[in-house]
Formats: sequence, C-alpha cells, structure tokens
Amino acid sequence: SQTIHQWPATLVQPVGSPLSLECTVEGTSNPNLYWYRQAAGRGLQLLFYSVGIGQISSEVPQNLSASRPQDRQFILSSKKLLLSDSGFYLCAWNQAGRYEQYFGPGTRLTVT
Amino acid sequence: AQSVTQLDSQVPVFEEAPVELRCNYSSSVSVYLFWYVQYPNQGLQLLLKYLSGSTLVKGINGFEAEFNKSQTSFHLRKPSVHISDTAEYFCAVSFRSNTGKLIFGQGTTLQVKP
Repeated sequence: SQTIHQWPATLVQPVGSPLSLECTVEGTSNPNLYWYRQAAGRGLQLLFYSVGIGQISSEVPQNLSASRPQDRQFILSSKKLLLSDSGFYLCAWNQAGRYEQYFGPGTRLTVT
Repeated sequence: AQSVTQLDSQVPVFEEAPVELRCNYSSSVSVYLFWYVQYPNQGLQLLLKYLSGSTLVKGINGFEAEFNKSQTSFHLRKPSVHISDTAEYFCAVSFRSNTGKLIFGQGTTLQVKP
C-alpha cells in the first residue's frame, strides 16, 4: 500500500531564516505531487504541483519554491521566511490519471 | 470561473441528530467530486468520491453524499452523528485536468454537542 511522509512535524523558525520541508511517497511510481498551505482557520491554498521529476508549477507567486529531485520526493523551500509564511503545510499525491488526492500528516510551521 | 462554495462555515448539531453539510460548485465542464475530513492538527482524509454512476455515494464513517448535476451540488449527509465526527470538512472538485488538481471549498466546521 502507499504511504506519504512529511517532516518535520513541527517547526519554529525566526523571520529571515531558511526553510526546507520534505515529503516522500512510498509504494507508487511517478505520482503527481502537491504542496498546500493552510493558514489558521482558513481553507487550503495550493502552492505548487509537480507531474514529474524536475517539473514544478507554481500557483501563487511568493517567497517559497519547490523542487522534485527524485520521483517520489517533493521539497518546499524558502531562502528567507516571513511572518506570513506561518501555517500548516500539507503534501499530497495522486496517481497520474486518477483524481482523488491523498494527504500527508502535515508540518506546523511557526515563524517568530 | 470554476469555484467551490461551502455554504456554512460552522454547523453545530447535537449528538445522534442528522446533519447535512452543503457544497455547490461552478463549472461548465463535467467534474469529479470529493469530500475530505480533517481532525485537528492532522492531514485530510478522503471520506467519499463521485466519479460516475450512481449519484448517491457512500463513504467511510457512515457518511453519504448526493451529486445533483442540475443544481451543481454535492451535499454531505449523515443520519446520526457522534461526538467523534467533530472535525473540519472540505468539499473538493476536480475539473478533470491532466494535472490532477483539486479546487477546495473553504471548509465547514462540524461541532457535535453532547
């Protein structure tokens, strides 16, 4: 069966520091991968998605970036965090040609 | 423009009462529809999905939803809720693009009271 992992689970970082969040999927190949952010009390905002290695599409211009160095690995990064980057970050995947997405456990990021 | 609207931000209900969470979408093309549940500080879990066939779909935890094409709705129902159903519920729509992207509603908080 397929599983999706995210780490770290929680993170507290000062303003201006770098960020790296990692997501990996097991038990499948060539998945579509997605990064979402969920601000407190709000819905999900799609940040990036990827349909293959090295293929990244950005949904919202901001100081975040994403990379997909391996087939089942998706990384969310920032060079300098802003207070507004605080939130709950969720990674999700689905199989190409299918439409239901499966979510990871999330990373709670607090920028201080 | 394609969009998803969850008509209620919060729905308080007493335990063992029935509940309906409403979802409407706007689209000029055929869609796939989903409901997800999110418990505090956790990821989203797929409750049920409509891809084709019967418009009444059953999911996990006793939930069901009905696809109404003419009203562009996909309301979620449960005949008798439990305290453990307290959570955030998200409706999502896929417009069948090859990117597999979903459009999410803003969420409905279901508060089950004893």
